[in-house]
Amino acid sequence: GQQVMQIPQYQHVQEGEDFTTYCNSSTTLSNIQWYKQRPGGHPVFLIQLVKSGEVKKQKRLTFQFGEAKKNSSLHITATQTTDVGTYFCAGGGYDYKLSFGAGTTVTVRA
Amino acid sequence: DAGVIQSPRHEVTEMGQEVTLRCKPISGHNSLFWYRQTMMRGLELLIYFNNNVPIDDSGMPEDRFSAKMPNASFSTLKIQPSEPRDSAVYFCASSSGQWRLYTFGSGTRLTVV
Repeated sequence: GQQVMQIPQYQHVQEGEDFTTYCNSSTTLSNIQWYKQRPGGHPVFLIQLVKSGEVKKQKRLTFQFGEAKKNSSLHITATQTTDVGTYFCAGGGYDYKLSFGAGTTVTVRA
Repeated sequence: DAGVIQSPRHEVTEMGQEVTLRCKPISGHNSLFWYRQTMMRGLELLIYFNNNVPIDDSGMPEDRFSAKMPNASFSTLKIQPSEPRDSAVYFCASSSGQWRLYTFGSGTRLTVV
């Protein structure tokens, strides 16, 4: 099955700055999903991308799916303390399951 | 909808004891997944079911782990005997439809002493 690599593992951000986390798959994906896990919480679905080159925005978050459907990125602008947590990408193949990346854990300096 | 319900939220047990974790998926979801999360290994898929049938249990660490889904509304993950290295947060997730959007439960934090 596909393997999904995610970088960086940790991101320390000054409040108000932007950052990006990247996700790469060894195989072509049918879709990619992003989840956020707050400290002490459980992963919560954020968004799904299906089409090649697709870009979606949720307020300060911009999600992109690569043209080859093998990579994705999450860009957060003007980071706030509410953005703290771990962001997982999860690649969908053509079976029942997702392959989760290792996650990017974000901390914010006020 | 109450979401995916897991019980217990916390479990502390002694090494060698049997532990049973429970999960009630969202009604209508036909896929159910058990994950284990640790700092060292991140989110690991242990087993998943589709229409109550185990599809892939290759992530189950060893024979001490077993999972069942007797009906569409209930699943258990059992560890017998438990060991300290089994300490982790265990998540259950369910999904349905073509794109398999996952809904996770709140997890069970297991500590084996």
